[in-house]
Amino acid sequence: NAGVTQTPKFQVLKTGQSMTLQCAQDMNHEYMSWYRQDPGMGLRLIHYSVGAGITDQGEVPNGYNVSRSTTEDFPLRLLSAAPSQTSVYFCASSQQGGSGQPQHFGDGTRLSIL
Amino acid sequence: DQQVKQNSPSLSVQEGRISILNCDYTNSMFDYFLWYKKYPAEGPTFLISISSIKDKNEDGRFTVFLNKSAKHLSLHIVPSQPGDSAVYFCAAALSGTYKYIFGTGTRLKVLA
Repeated sequence: NAGVTQTPKFQVLKTGQSMTLQCAQDMNHEYMSWYRQDPGMGLRLIHYSVGAGITDQGEVPNGYNVSRSTTEDFPLRLLSAAPSQTSVYFCASSQQGGSGQPQHFGDGTRLSIL
Repeated sequence: DQQVKQNSPSLSVQEGRISILNCDYTNSMFDYFLWYKKYPAEGPTFLISISSIKDKNEDGRFTVFLNKSAKHLSLHIVPSQPGDSAVYFCAAALSGTYKYIFGTGTRLKVLA
Protein backbone atom coordinates (compact mmCIF):
# COMPACT_ATOMS: atom_id res chain seq x y z
CA ASN A 1 0.00 0.00 0.00
CA ALA A 2 2.07 2.93 -1.27
CA GLY A 3 -0.72 5.53 -0.98
CA VAL A 4 0.63 8.95 -2.00
CA THR A 5 4.29 9.02 -3.00
CA GLN A 6 6.26 12.23 -3.31
CA THR A 7 9.73 12.58 -4.79
CA PRO A 8 12.24 13.90 -4.01
CA LYS A 9 12.12 14.17 -0.21
CA PHE A 10 14.69 16.97 -0.15
CA GLN A 11 15.95 19.41 -2.75
CA VAL A 12 18.13 22.50 -2.81
CA LEU A 13 17.84 24.86 -5.77
CA LYS A 14 19.41 28.10 -6.81
CA THR A 15 17.25 31.12 -7.54
CA GLY A 16 16.00 30.99 -11.12
CA GLN A 17 16.30 27.23 -11.53
CA SER A 18 13.31 25.17 -12.53
CA MET A 19 12.15 21.95 -10.96
CA THR A 20 9.30 19.46 -10.95
CA LEU A 21 8.03 17.91 -7.73
CA GLN A 22 6.52 14.51 -8.41
CA CYS A 23 3.37 13.11 -6.83
CA ALA A 24 1.79 9.75 -7.55
CA GLN A 25 -1.11 7.91 -5.93
CA ASP A 26 -2.20 4.31 -6.40
CA MET A 27 -5.71 4.56 -4.92
CA ASN A 28 -7.49 5.62 -8.13
CA HIS A 29 -8.47 8.89 -6.48
CA GLU A 30 -10.04 11.58 -8.63
CA TYR A 31 -9.08 14.55 -6.48
CA MET A 32 -5.46 15.58 -5.97
CA SER A 33 -3.97 18.71 -4.51
CA TRP A 34 -0.73 20.46 -3.60
CA TYR A 35 -0.11 22.40 -0.39
CA ARG A 36 2.79 24.28 1.02
CA GLN A 37 3.49 24.46 4.73
CA ASP A 38 5.32 27.43 6.16
CA PRO A 39 6.00 28.25 9.83
CA GLY A 40 2.97 29.93 11.41
CA MET A 41 0.95 29.63 8.19
CA GLY A 42 -0.49 26.13 8.29
CA LEU A 43 -1.09 24.38 4.98
CA ARG A 44 -2.04 26.55 2.05
CA LEU A 45 -3.56 25.18 -1.13
CA ILE A 46 -1.51 25.83 -4.28
CA HIS A 47 -3.37 23.94 -7.03
CA TYR A 48 -5.83 21.12 -7.20
CA SER A 49 -7.32 18.73 -9.74
CA VAL A 50 -10.72 17.03 -9.76
CA GLY A 51 -9.73 14.55 -12.45
CA ALA A 52 -7.41 13.88 -15.38
CA GLY A 53 -7.19 16.95 -17.60
CA ILE A 54 -8.82 19.28 -15.05
CA THR A 55 -6.83 21.61 -12.79
CA ASP A 56 -7.58 24.83 -10.93
CA GLN A 57 -5.90 27.34 -8.68
CA GLY A 58 -5.89 27.37 -4.91
CA GLU A 59 -4.95 30.14 -2.48
CA VAL A 60 -1.32 30.62 -3.50
CA PRO A 61 -0.87 29.55 -7.16
CA ASN A 62 1.62 32.19 -8.34
CA GLY A 63 4.97 30.77 -9.46
CA TYR A 64 3.64 27.21 -9.81
CA ASN A 65 2.25 25.16 -12.69
CA VAL A 66 0.45 21.85 -12.64
CA SER A 67 -0.93 19.36 -15.12
CA ARG A 68 -2.91 16.12 -14.75
CA SER A 69 -2.47 13.86 -17.73
CA THR A 70 -3.28 10.66 -15.79
CA THR A 71 -5.37 9.84 -12.73
CA GLU A 72 -2.25 8.68 -10.86
CA ASP A 73 0.16 11.59 -11.33
CA PHE A 74 -0.03 15.25 -10.41
CA PRO A 75 3.36 16.99 -10.80
CA LEU A 76 4.04 20.49 -9.50
CA ARG A 77 6.42 22.68 -11.52
CA LEU A 78 8.43 25.64 -10.36
CA LEU A 79 9.39 27.51 -13.51
CA SER A 80 11.84 29.98 -11.96
CA ALA A 81 12.50 29.27 -8.28
CA ALA A 82 12.53 32.15 -5.80
CA PRO A 83 13.65 32.17 -2.14
CA SER A 84 10.01 32.82 -1.13
CA GLN A 85 9.22 29.32 -2.42
CA THR A 86 11.38 27.72 0.25
CA SER A 87 8.87 25.51 2.04
CA VAL A 88 7.67 22.00 2.68
CA TYR A 89 5.35 20.80 -0.07
CA PHE A 90 2.65 18.20 0.45
CA CYS A 91 0.63 16.37 -2.14
CA ALA A 92 -2.73 14.90 -1.17
CA SER A 93 -5.51 12.89 -2.75
CA SER A 94 -9.06 11.80 -2.01
CA GLN A 95 -11.70 9.81 -3.83
CA GLN A 96 -13.59 12.99 -4.61
CA GLY A 97 -13.23 16.62 -3.70
CA GLY A 98 -15.83 19.09 -2.64
CA SER A 99 -17.68 16.84 -0.20
CA GLY A 100 -15.45 17.04 2.82
CA GLN A 101 -13.79 13.70 2.15
CA PRO A 102 -10.56 13.20 4.09
CA GLN A 103 -7.40 13.47 2.09
CA HIS A 104 -4.41 11.15 2.10
CA PHE A 105 -1.12 13.02 2.25
CA GLY A 106 2.35 12.16 1.06
CA ASP A 107 5.31 12.64 3.38
CA GLY A 108 6.33 15.91 1.78
CA THR A 109 9.19 17.45 -0.16
CA ARG A 110 11.41 19.87 1.72
CA LEU A 111 12.58 22.49 -0.76
CA SER A 112 15.22 25.16 -0.14
CA ILE A 113 15.87 27.95 -2.62
CA LEU A 114 19.19 29.74 -2.22
CA ASP B 1 -7.71 36.90 6.01
CA GLN B 2 -7.44 33.68 8.00
CA GLN B 3 -10.75 31.88 7.62
CA VAL B 4 -9.77 29.04 9.96
CA LYS B 5 -7.89 29.91 13.13
CA GLN B 6 -6.17 27.86 15.78
CA ASN B 7 -5.24 30.43 18.36
CA SER B 8 -3.20 28.17 20.62
CA PRO B 9 0.15 27.32 19.01
CA SER B 10 0.92 24.76 21.70
CA LEU B 11 -0.64 22.76 24.50
CA SER B 12 0.82 20.49 27.19
CA VAL B 13 -1.26 17.87 28.97
CA GLN B 14 -0.49 15.12 31.46
CA GLU B 15 -0.89 11.54 30.30
CA GLY B 16 -4.37 10.22 31.08
CA ARG B 17 -5.96 13.66 31.20
CA ILE B 18 -8.17 15.29 28.58
CA SER B 19 -6.67 17.29 25.70
CA ILE B 20 -8.88 19.97 24.19
CA LEU B 21 -7.82 21.56 20.93
CA ASN B 22 -9.80 24.50 19.59
CA CYS B 23 -10.52 25.91 16.17
CA ASP B 24 -12.52 28.96 15.09
CA TYR B 25 -13.77 29.82 11.64
CA THR B 26 -15.29 32.85 9.98
CA ASN B 27 -17.27 31.47 7.03
CA SER B 28 -20.66 30.20 8.18
CA MET B 29 -21.10 28.39 4.85
CA PHE B 30 -18.46 25.73 5.56
CA ASP B 31 -20.07 22.28 5.29
CA TYR B 32 -17.42 19.98 6.68
CA PHE B 33 -14.70 20.17 9.27
CA LEU B 34 -11.79 17.77 9.58
CA TRP B 35 -8.96 17.20 12.03
CA TYR B 36 -5.56 15.93 10.99
CA LYS B 37 -2.59 14.84 13.06
CA LYS B 38 0.96 15.40 11.89
CA TYR B 39 4.18 13.87 13.17
CA PRO B 40 7.56 15.39 12.25
CA ALA B 41 8.86 14.47 8.79
CA GLU B 42 5.52 12.87 7.87
CA GLY B 43 2.44 14.06 6.06
CA PRO B 44 -0.77 14.86 7.95
CA THR B 45 -3.05 11.91 8.63
CA PHE B 46 -6.81 12.17 8.91
CA LEU B 47 -8.22 11.82 12.40
CA ILE B 48 -11.92 12.64 12.51
CA SER B 49 -14.45 14.83 10.75
CA ILE B 50 -17.87 16.34 11.29
CA SER B 51 -20.57 17.60 8.99
CA SER B 52 -22.20 20.95 9.68
CA ILE B 53 -25.54 19.19 10.24
CA LYS B 54 -24.17 17.52 13.36
CA ASP B 55 -22.84 18.92 16.59
CA LYS B 56 -20.81 15.93 17.77
CA ASN B 57 -18.90 13.04 16.29
CA GLU B 58 -17.05 10.41 18.26
CA ASP B 59 -14.42 7.84 17.31
CA GLY B 60 -12.79 5.99 20.16
CA ARG B 61 -10.77 8.41 22.27
CA PHE B 62 -11.45 11.29 19.86
CA THR B 63 -14.56 13.47 19.88
CA VAL B 64 -15.18 16.56 17.80
CA PHE B 65 -17.76 19.14 18.88
CA LEU B 66 -19.19 21.76 16.56
CA ASN B 67 -20.86 24.96 17.77
CA LYS B 68 -22.22 26.60 14.64
CA SER B 69 -23.57 29.69 16.36
CA ALA B 70 -20.12 30.44 17.78
CA LYS B 71 -18.33 29.23 14.63
CA HIS B 72 -16.18 27.08 16.86
CA LEU B 73 -15.11 23.45 16.91
CA SER B 74 -13.04 21.51 19.34
CA LEU B 75 -11.27 18.17 19.42
CA HIS B 76 -11.28 16.26 22.69
CA ILE B 77 -8.81 13.44 23.30
CA VAL B 78 -9.59 11.27 26.32
CA PRO B 79 -7.45 9.82 27.77
CA SER B 80 -4.38 11.50 26.30
CA GLN B 81 -1.41 9.28 25.57
CA PRO B 82 2.24 10.15 24.85
CA GLY B 83 1.78 8.89 21.29
CA ASP B 84 -0.77 11.65 20.77
CA SER B 85 2.05 14.21 20.87
CA ALA B 86 1.92 15.79 17.43
CA VAL B 87 0.73 18.88 15.58
CA TYR B 88 -3.03 18.97 15.04
CA PHE B 89 -4.60 20.84 12.16
CA CYS B 90 -8.26 21.64 11.72
CA ALA B 91 -9.56 22.15 8.21
CA ALA B 92 -12.82 23.37 6.74
CA ALA B 93 -14.44 22.61 3.40
CA LEU B 94 -17.24 24.14 1.40
CA SER B 95 -19.21 21.76 -0.82
CA GLY B 96 -18.66 22.36 -4.50
CA THR B 97 -15.58 24.52 -4.12
CA TYR B 98 -13.08 21.66 -3.94
CA LYS B 99 -10.95 23.74 -1.56
CA TYR B 100 -9.92 22.88 1.96
CA ILE B 101 -8.82 25.68 4.30
CA PHE B 102 -6.43 24.69 7.05
CA GLY B 103 -5.69 26.31 10.37
CA THR B 104 -2.15 27.03 11.50
CA GLY B 105 -1.94 24.03 13.80
CA THR B 106 -1.59 23.34 17.53
CA ARG B 107 1.37 21.39 18.85
CA LEU B 108 0.20 18.97 21.53
CA LYS B 109 2.66 17.52 23.99
CA VAL B 110 1.44 14.75 26.27
CA LEU B 111 3.67 14.39 29.28
CA ALA B 112 4.28 10.91 30.71
